[in-house]
Amino acid sequence: DAKTTQPTSMDCAEGRAANLPCNHSTISGNEYVYWYRQIHSQGPQYIIHGLKNNETNEMASLIITEDRKSSTLILPHATLRDTAVYYCIALNYGGSQGNLIFGKGTKLSVKP
Amino acid sequence: DTEVTQTPKHLVMGMTNKKSLKCEQHMGHRAMYWYKQKAKKPPELMFVYSYEKLSINESVPSRFSPECPNSSLLNLHLHALQPEDSALYLCASSQDGFSTPYFGPGTRLLVL
Repeated sequence: DAKTTQPTSMDCAEGRAANLPCNHSTISGNEYVYWYRQIHSQGPQYIIHGLKNNETNEMASLIITEDRKSSTLILPHATLRDTAVYYCIALNYGGSQGNLIFGKGTKLSVKP
Repeated sequence: DTEVTQTPKHLVMGMTNKKSLKCEQHMGHRAMYWYKQKAKKPPELMFVYSYEKLSINESVPSRFSPECPNSSLLNLHLHALQPEDSALYLCASSQDGFSTPYFGPGTRLLVL
């Protein structure tokens, strides 16, 4: 599975959009980009995933660059409850079962 | 419904005790996972079950013994643990190992 690189921490003002970047320059063609978040001492929560196209759901939007070497998770109107560690993971389902391997993630702090 | 339940929520045990962690899902998922998370670290994959058979053991010490008695239930039997095994133990499941994994809330384990 491709390695992902994320900033260690980010701040965002409440009500503003939070844009969390992720680099995955070695991603292969059949690896999906997954995003999870983990609020303190809780289980990781699935947010969104994509392969090539941009994706949007009720929680967030995922923008993947055309060369697929990086992506951005967008929380359109961040609230204090969005304070969490956000994990970007490249998951390969090709040929065998894919397993989530977590990196260090980005600690997002949403401030009033 | 994407609910994975874990019991107990908290567990304190001595180094000579035997205890078990339980994970349950009723989504018809056929892949189930155990992760271990130390404080301020990302989750680490321990075991993967696929269709009730152990498919991955990430070199976990034998004092951790997984069991998948049926497709809805995953146990982690603990014996002769060390204080350094204190951590948050997370269970996850996915439809077939090729789909989005969903996590439970975790069991916080303290070994004295």
